[in-house]
Amino acid sequence: NAGVTQTPKFQVLKTGQSMTLQCAQDMNHNSMYWYRQDPGMGLRLIYYSASEGTTDKGEVPNGYNVSRLNKREFSLRLESAAPSQTSVYFCASSRDRGPNEQFFGPGTRLTVL
Amino acid sequence: GQQVMQIPQYQHVQEGEDFTTYCNSSTTLSNIQWYKQRPGGHPVFLIQLVKSGEVKKQKRLTFQFGEAKKNSSLHITATQTTDVGTYFCADKTGNQFYFGTGTSLTVIP
Repeated sequence: NAGVTQTPKFQVLKTGQSMTLQCAQDMNHNSMYWYRQDPGMGLRLIYYSASEGTTDKGEVPNGYNVSRLNKREFSLRLESAAPSQTSVYFCASSRDRGPNEQFFGPGTRLTVL
Repeated sequence: GQQVMQIPQYQHVQEGEDFTTYCNSSTTLSNIQWYKQRPGGHPVFLIQLVKSGEVKKQKRLTFQFGEAKKNSSLHITATQTTDVGTYFCADKTGNQFYFGTGTSLTVIP
């Protein structure tokens, strides 16, 4: 099992460019999440999806859109990148019951110039 | 939204010394999870506490959940260089997780 995979690992954008971050999990989890991590700020939830076909805003959704393409895949899109979106982005998935621990992907390091 | 405060932000210890990080909330927490993130890596789940006053141990790590379920702590006994990283607490409320700001641990050999 690969767990949670993310692409790309690194990306540099110019202000105003768009891009999509891809995430996939092979653990048959219903719940998936997108976080951003900035120095001294911990992890902040951007969007989450409790099941296929549903998405909800998290703490910092402005400037982002998401798509839950199927149970495995959850993508994050930046329509018009801004320097304030320079960050490390993590995708995660979790079980619905029991410990419901989150499993994180390796992250995407995004720089917006 | 939910706010989970974590202290200290940074901690430097000599190898062999103990280390503790604290997580505090102004509201009652449903449960608390702890994660470790190695430098350059991604967060990895350590443990979940659910019950008031719960104490769990994993080798040299001791996790506690406060009686009022408003605070939690992670204590590492006799730190080793492999303990280096940032430790996060997280509260799950509904479908959302709220992470503390983390404590970055440096272990000096």
